[in-house]
This record gives sequence, C-alpha cells and structure tokens, in this order.
Amino acid sequence: GENVEQHPSTLSVQEGDSAVIKCTYSDSASNYFPWYKQELGKRPQLIIDIRSNVGEKKDQRIAVTLNKTAKHFSLHITETQPEDSAVYFCAAFGGSNYKLTFGKGTLLTVNP
Amino acid sequence: NAGVMQNPRHLVRRRGQEARLRCSPMKGHSHVYWYRQLPEEGLKFMVYLQKENIIDESGMPKERFSAEFPKEGPSILRIQQVVRGDSAAYFCASSPWDGTYNEQFFGPGTRLTVL
Repeated sequence: GENVEQHPSTLSVQEGDSAVIKCTYSDSASNYFPWYKQELGKRPQLIIDIRSNVGEKKDQRIAVTLNKTAKHFSLHITETQPEDSAVYFCAAFGGSNYKLTFGKGTLLTVNP
Repeated sequence: NAGVMQNPRHLVRRRGQEARLRCSPMKGHSHVYWYRQLPEEGLKFMVYLQKENIIDESGMPKERFSAEFPKEGPSILRIQQVVRGDSAAYFCASSPWDGTYNEQFFGPGTRLTVL
C-alpha cells in the first residue's frame, strides 16, 4: 500500500520567514495530494491540494509543488505569521484504493 | 450547510465497556471515512463507507471494531470491550462523489478515554 514520509517533524521559524515541509510517497498511482492544518484540539482543515496533472499551485502565502517523477511534494508558506503555528499533515490519495494516507505531521512554530 | 457532525465530543469508558461513536456527514455527501489519531501522531485510516456498504476496512482491527453507515441515520463506529490502547481521538470525514476523488471534510472528533 501507499507510504507517505514527511519531514521535518518539527520546524521553528521567525515571523516573516518562509517555511517548507516536504513529503514523499511510494505509490506512483497516487493522483491527489492535500495538505491539512490542525490546531491543538481541533479538526484537520484543508489548506491546499494539488492533483497529479499540475506541478505547482499557489494560494496567497501558501504554495504546493509536486514532482511526480521523484514522487515528492512540498508545502511552502511565505511571510509566516504566529497564527500559522499548528501541525501540518500531507496526504496522498491512491488511484487504486480510495483512501488518504497521511504523513506523521510537522509541528510548525512561528516565533513573533 | 452544517459541517460534519460527530457526537459525543468526549467519551469516557471503563475497560470492557462498549464505545459507540456517531458521525453525520455533510448534506449531499455519500462517502464517510473514519480515522484514529493517537496523541502527537498522524491520522490513521480505519474504514471507508458508502451508504449501506463498507468499501475498505483495511485499517480497522479485525476484532472488537465495527462500522456501519445505514440508509438512514449517522455512520457509527463501534468498539466493543474497550482497552486502554483504544484511547485516542476518532475523526470522521465526509466527501461528495462525482466520479472523481474530492476533498474530505473532517468532523470535530470524538476523544475517547478508557480508564
């Protein structure tokens, strides 16, 4: 089945800096890659997603890039703010099995 | 349009009791997924259901755990004879289906504590 690796597990940045979180996946049939943000004690919420027919997608300060050949995708947050502090999860959806496989998460801390 | 609803939000059970978790998907969503999240860990897929059908239960333990999504009413995740290791947050998510995969919307979760 699908295996998703996520790095780093923790990331601390200064307000205004950029943050990058990277994920790799194993199933070349995976074709949908969402990123979720989870604040402490709350539900995961989708912040951006990308499908395999696109290499990059941007939404204001957040962007995701996908390299299908290398089977990795990354989340980029620019001009970070303290409210960006949360756990971020990447996930991959396989073409042959209808389930999301999540990475273990990255705890992002943005210091004021 | 109300979001995904889960109840109860918090559930305390003693070892050996049964836990019953409910999930009402968003209106118009026919697909429900259950995930388990242990403290400071990621979300682990448990089961994927459509109305009256279990599509994929590969992430659910074979014993003590069962799930259903009846024609009427919420989806239910049932854990029999709970043990301490079952303590976790259980999230359900729902999505629509138009022939392709779509975003999953998560409920607020049920935090199960087994004493």
